[in-house]
Amino acid sequence: EPEVTQTPSHQVTQMGQEVILRCVPISNHLYFYWYRQILGQKVEFLVSFYNNEISEKSEIFDDQFSVERPDGSNFTLKIRSTKLEDSAMYFCASSEGNDSEQFFGPGTRLTVL
Amino acid sequence: GESVGLHLPTLSVQEGDNSIINCAYSNSASDYFIWYKQESGKGPQFIIDIRSNMDKRQGQRVTVLLNKTVKHLSLQIAATQPGDSAVYFCAENPDPGTASKLTFGTGTRLQVTL
Repeated sequence: EPEVTQTPSHQVTQMGQEVILRCVPISNHLYFYWYRQILGQKVEFLVSFYNNEISEKSEIFDDQFSVERPDGSNFTLKIRSTKLEDSAMYFCASSEGNDSEQFFGPGTRLTVL
Repeated sequence: GESVGLHLPTLSVQEGDNSIINCAYSNSASDYFIWYKQESGKGPQFIIDIRSNMDKRQGQRVTVLLNKTVKHLSLQIAATQPGDSAVYFCAENPDPGTASKLTFGTGTRLQVTL
């Protein structure tokens, strides 16, 4: 069964450093998403991406964040200058259409020290 | 200082019993609702969805009920098994017709006892 994959599973970084979280969505999906989940809290929407551009973004997704689809398979989330409060699980998701089931990856745990 | 996470309501059921998990959603314009299951250390896993033109939908051992009048969603799990132990989230799409920006609820922890 096709699945969304994410690398790395755990990323530890120093405050102020840049990180890139990587995702490989399901191959025939056209819509891509990033969500985050701070420990013990609910899952929060960050951004959606379609046709090589951002469709929607939340208030969390400020200028420090960017997304990119550098090739036909990868979808990345970059945080330019990490802050302590960026520590969270980051989930990538993909869907066939804009109103269909979103499949989530296993997540990347980001720890900012 | 240490951040304080949300206190998750917990539902404890015995193996073999039926479970009912409830969720109140916020946006009366939402037209698409989903239940996700999240096991420890994993991403949300789709269970079942329902659109606003329906009030009930059944899957394998699961049923979702939608009451738009009171903005309430429930998930029923029949013959609950130990493998059903997880946190269950309801999610809604508050902006119909756009790329689904899912809004998740706070979650309910389901504990299945033997």
